[in-house]
Amino acid sequence: QSVLTQPPSVSAAPGQKVTISCSGSSFNIGNNYVSWYQQLPGTAPKLLIYENNRRPSGIPDRFSGSKSGTSATLGITGLQTGDEADYYCGTWDNSLSAGGGVFGGGTKLTVL
Amino acid sequence: QITLKESGPTLVKPTQTLTLTCTFSGFSLSASPVGVGWIRQPPGKALEWLAVIYWDDDKRYSPSLKSRLTITKDTSRNQVVLTMTKMDPVDTATYYCAHTYSDSWRRHFDNWGQGTLVIVSS
Repeated sequence: QSVLTQPPSVSAAPGQKVTISCSGSSFNIGNNYVSWYQQLPGTAPKLLIYENNRRPSGIPDRFSGSKSGTSATLGITGLQTGDEADYYCGTWDNSLSAGGGVFGGGTKLTVL
Repeated sequence: QITLKESGPTLVKPTQTLTLTCTFSGFSLSASPVGVGWIRQPPGKALEWLAVIYWDDDKRYSPSLKSRLTITKDTSRNQVVLTMTKMDPVDTATYYCAHTYSDSWRRHFDNWGQGTLVIVSS
C-alpha cells in the first residue's frame, strides 16, 4: 500500500493527451516537491519531472508536471507508442511514520 | 557524466543478511549537497524507497524497514553499501541505487543504476 495514490492504469490513442494523478497529504506532497519517473519495460526508472514541473535536459516538452495542494499531475501530450511505460510519482514525507522518500503505486500507460 | 552500478548476490537464503554495493562515478559523495539512495522493486510491483545517505553522513531509512537496514559510504572508493538483515522471500526484488541531493527542494533521483535482481529462496 503506497503512501501516494495513483490510478493503476490510463490509456489514450496516439497523438492524444493523457494525465496521471498522484494524491498525497500535507505530510508529503503538500509541503514537498514532486518528481515523476518513467519506467520502460525491463529498464530502470528515468527522471521525467522534478521540482513539480521542471524537465531534465533531454526530456521533451510533451511531458509536463503540476502540483496543487496535496495532489500532483503528470501530463503527456502528443502520445507516442514509445510512451507506453509505467509512471511513478515521488516526493519526501515528513510524517513520523515515514521520514523519508515515498513513491506512488505506479500507473501503467497504454497507448492504444 | 554520472553513472551508478549495483552489485551483490543474486540469490540469498531466508534469514541471511544481504549486502549490496553501489559503485558510482561522476560525482563525489564528500561534496555538498550530494546523496545516494536505494530503491527496490519486487517483480511486477511498485517502487519502494529504502534508504539514503548524504555527503555529511546523514542517513534516513524507510520506517518499515529501519530495524533491518544499514547504509554506509566509502568516499575514497566511491561506494555506498546497503545491508539488509533477516532476508525473507518477500524481499525478492530488483534493487536500485540512485544519485540524489540533500537540499529539501531537490530530493529527486536524477541518475539511476541498472538495478540488480535479488532472489530470496532456500
